[in-house]
Amino acid sequence: GDSVTQMEGPVTLSEEAFLTINCTYTATGYPSLFWYVQYPGEGLQLLLKATKADDKGSNKGFEATYRKETTSFHLEKGSVQVSDSAVYFCALQHYQLIWGAGTKLIIKP
Amino acid sequence: DSGVTQTPKHLITATGQRVTLRCSPRSGDLSVYWYQQSLDQGLQFLIQYYNGEERAKGNILERFSAQQFPDLHSELNLSSLELGDSALYFCASSSNLRDSNNEQFFGPGTRLTVL
Repeated sequence: GDSVTQMEGPVTLSEEAFLTINCTYTATGYPSLFWYVQYPGEGLQLLLKATKADDKGSNKGFEATYRKETTSFHLEKGSVQVSDSAVYFCALQHYQLIWGAGTKLIIKP
Repeated sequence: DSGVTQTPKHLITATGQRVTLRCSPRSGDLSVYWYQQSLDQGLQFLIQYYNGEERAKGNILERFSAQQFPDLHSELNLSSLELGDSALYFCASSSNLRDSNNEQFFGPGTRLTVL
């Protein structure tokens, strides 16, 4: 069945560092791909999405490109801030959402 | 604010009890999804309703059931509760079943603690 694998955390970085969180997927058909973010004590917020191959989703300085050839959707940000500390979930959607395990990101000042 | 509301925000109960979680979708959305987020299982899809009808089932236990009412709000019923049912339960809604990749909008969740 469909599945999502993302890198285990926690990922600890210093402020202004470059961020990559890896995400790969297995799916039949052509699912949409998403990154969601969950801040401490809060719900799930959509960060960005891509609906077809080679699409790039972007929001708040974060980017991810839908790579069908490598079945990947890696999340990147050029310069992270302390406020980016959260748990990030990669997910694919074919009607319902299939989730990765989540990656906790800790940014130190 | 996603427009999806969930009540209650927190629920504390004992093993063996039964609880009901409520979700109101965004205005105009016909699909409602339920997800469970637990420490050991992560986030997983439980069940989906569309315009009152069950459309898809995920990893939902037989002790759990859901329904969607004519006004489109949905309830998730959890019975014979066990310690392992302690989790954050999210509801999401989307507008149109026909598009399998319709964006889902999430409520703030209900945190269930079973003691």
